Amino acid sequence: KQEVTQIPAALSVPEGENLVLNCSFTDSAIYNLQWFRQDPGKGLTSLLLIQSSQREQTSGRLNASLDKSSGRSTLYIAASQPGDSATYLCAVSPNSGYALNFGKGTSLLVTP
Amino acid sequence: SAVISQKPSRDICQRGTSLTIQCQVDSQVTMMFWYRQQPGQSLTLIATANQGSEATYESGFVIDKFPISRPNLTFSTLTVSNMSPEDSSIYLCSVPDIAGRAYNEQFFGPGTRLTVL
Repeated sequence: KQEVTQIPAALSVPEGENLVLNCSFTDSAIYNLQWFRQDPGKGLTSLLLIQSSQREQTSGRLNASLDKSSGRSTLYIAASQPGDSATYLCAVSPNSGYALNFGKGTSLLVTP
Repeated sequence: SAVISQKPSRDICQRGTSLTIQCQVDSQVTMMFWYRQQPGQSLTLIATANQGSEATYESGFVIDKFPISRPNLTFSTLTVSNMSPEDSSIYLCSVPDIAGRAYNEQFFGPGTRLTVL
C-alpha cells in the first residue's frame, strides 16, 4: 500500500525566506505527483503536477522536483510571503483515472 | 481546469440524522471521487463514483453509511447517514482533468464542513 510522508509537519519562517517542503512515497510506481495548497477549512487548490517522466515543474515562485526512483519530491517556495501561509499537501496517483494518495501535509506560517 | 461546486458549504447536524452533500461540475466527467478529511488529518478516499454503475467503496466505508448517487455526468451526491460526532469532517469531491489529456491532474470542490453534535 502506497504511503506518503511529508516533512516537516509544520514550519514557521520570516517573510522573504526561501524554503523547501519534502514529500516521500514508498511505491515508486506512480503515474504522477501533485502538490496542493489548502487554506484553513477550505478545499484544495492544485499548485503543480509532475508527470512520472518529468523531473520538475515551475509556476511563479514555486518549483517542484520529482525523483521517482528514490520516491521523493520537493516543493521549493522562493521569497516567501505571508499570503503563502497554508497547509501544503503532496499526493501521488498510481495511474490515470485513479484517486490520489495523500500525505498529511506541511503547515506553513510565514510571518511578516 | 474543471469548476466544481459543493452544497452545503457547511452544516451543523444532530446525532442520528443524515445529510446529503451535492457536487456539481461544469463539464461532463466519467469519474468522480469523494474524500473525507477528519480534523487535523489528511484526505482519505471514501468512494469512486462512475456514472452508470454502482460506486466503489474503499476499505472501511460502506454503502449503508455513505450512499452515493451519480445520476448524470455532471452531478453526484454523497449522503452521510445516521451521523455521529466521529463523522465531523470536511467532505470533498474531486474530478480528474477533463481536457482530454492523460495527465490525471485532479481538481477539488471547495468542500463541505460538517459538524455533528
